[in-house]
Amino acid sequence: DAGVTQSPTHLIKTRGQHVTLRCSPISGHKSVSWYQQVLGQGPQFIFQYYEKEERGRGNFPDRFSARQFPNYSSELNVNALLLGDSALYLCASSLGPGPSLLQFFGPGTRLTVL
Amino acid sequence: AQSVAQPEDQVNVAEGNPLTVKCTYSVSGNPYLFWYVQYPNRGLQFLLKYITGDNLVKGSYGFEAEFNKSQTSFHLKKPSALVSDSALYFCAVRDNDYKLSFGAGTTVTVRA
Repeated sequence: DAGVTQSPTHLIKTRGQHVTLRCSPISGHKSVSWYQQVLGQGPQFIFQYYEKEERGRGNFPDRFSARQFPNYSSELNVNALLLGDSALYLCASSLGPGPSLLQFFGPGTRLTVL
Repeated sequence: AQSVAQPEDQVNVAEGNPLTVKCTYSVSGNPYLFWYVQYPNRGLQFLLKYITGDNLVKGSYGFEAEFNKSQTSFHLKKPSALVSDSALYFCAVRDNDYKLSFGAGTTVTVRA
């Protein structure tokens, strides 16, 4: 079975631009979460979606948005990019949103903002 | 609010020696605790989790962790470390919330 897949692998943007990151969950998983991992830090929670509804949002500005599609894949959008948005963006999928359910992580998208 | 602390940025051990990576947590409800490992330019790989029950949890690749409620700790251990265990280790916690809260990570280096 394929694991969580993310695209693209790497991305270079300039300040002020917009970016869209994509994630495909493990087959059968209905919940997708997004995390931002800045170099030297642990991942920080951005969003969780379940059954196409936003279930939770971390402490990120409104420039960050996401959505989940009927096939449970997800997109993370970031507008008006700042240098500080440079990070590894991780997508995780799980069967559902419950706290005991394991989240499986994808390889991440490395975003560099120049 | 939930949080995790990993007090050591780096842990260095010789191959064959015991390995311990420390983690303490803070939650308002019942803790759900996880350990993940990250290799360079890779995502996070699950090692083990504590939900309820036995305080000693056994996981992948010979790792285990001990849940200590009174000390609010969940230290990761391996009796005999391998060079291939060299990686970045993250402890994470959830209570009844929807998100994982991660520690800052501990870099483990196992020398041959």
